[in-house]
Amino acid sequence: DVKVTQSSRYLVKRTGEKVFLECVQDMDHENMFWYRQDPGLGLRLIYFSYDVKMKEKGDIPEGYSVSREKKERFSLILESASTNQTSMYLCASSLWAGGGNQPQHFGDGTRLSIL
Amino acid sequence: AQSVTQLDSQVPVFEEAPVELRCNYSSSVSVYLFWYVQYPNQGLQLLLKYLSGSTLVESINGFEAEFNKSQTSFHLRKPSVHISDTAEYFCAVAPTDKLIFGTGTRLQVFP
Repeated sequence: DVKVTQSSRYLVKRTGEKVFLECVQDMDHENMFWYRQDPGLGLRLIYFSYDVKMKEKGDIPEGYSVSREKKERFSLILESASTNQTSMYLCASSLWAGGGNQPQHFGDGTRLSIL
Repeated sequence: AQSVTQLDSQVPVFEEAPVELRCNYSSSVSVYLFWYVQYPNQGLQLLLKYLSGSTLVESINGFEAEFNKSQTSFHLRKPSVHISDTAEYFCAVAPTDKLIFGTGTRLQVFP
């Protein structure tokens, strides 16, 4: 089975801090994704990476950046955390298909609180 | 732009009753369709998918969904729910490798 591991289940940080969320997958997937999940809004894509060092903005990239130096690892960075970034963050991976017929596999999420 | 609509944010049902969770999508091109389930304090798990072929797809735990191209729908059904089916269910469409999710439906099963 595919395993997507997020480094923290719960994280509490202060406003203005630089925050790193880490995600590792063990199935050699080309695609990796970061979402945030908020009640009533579903999942919104922050960033998408289809290869090492390649990234693409999602629907809500403002205030975030990403890093993919190795194929198995995809990091989400909050440059200067703000209270409106308090949320559940989900990482996912999938095989590259070009047309979307490969399902995404999700980690268990990181519940981030910014105080 | 593509979109997915899950009209019901919450669906309360009694155990052993049938349930239908509705999903409609907007698309002018062929797409792939998915249902994911999220149990409390967990990530999303794939429940079932429609890629091509038979319009009725089934999961291993008794759920099924029917792709209806003319109505652009992909409703999820189960003839008899269990307490353990309590979870949030997300419908998603994949015109590309990026998924577009609905806002989710919380299924609450009562004894």
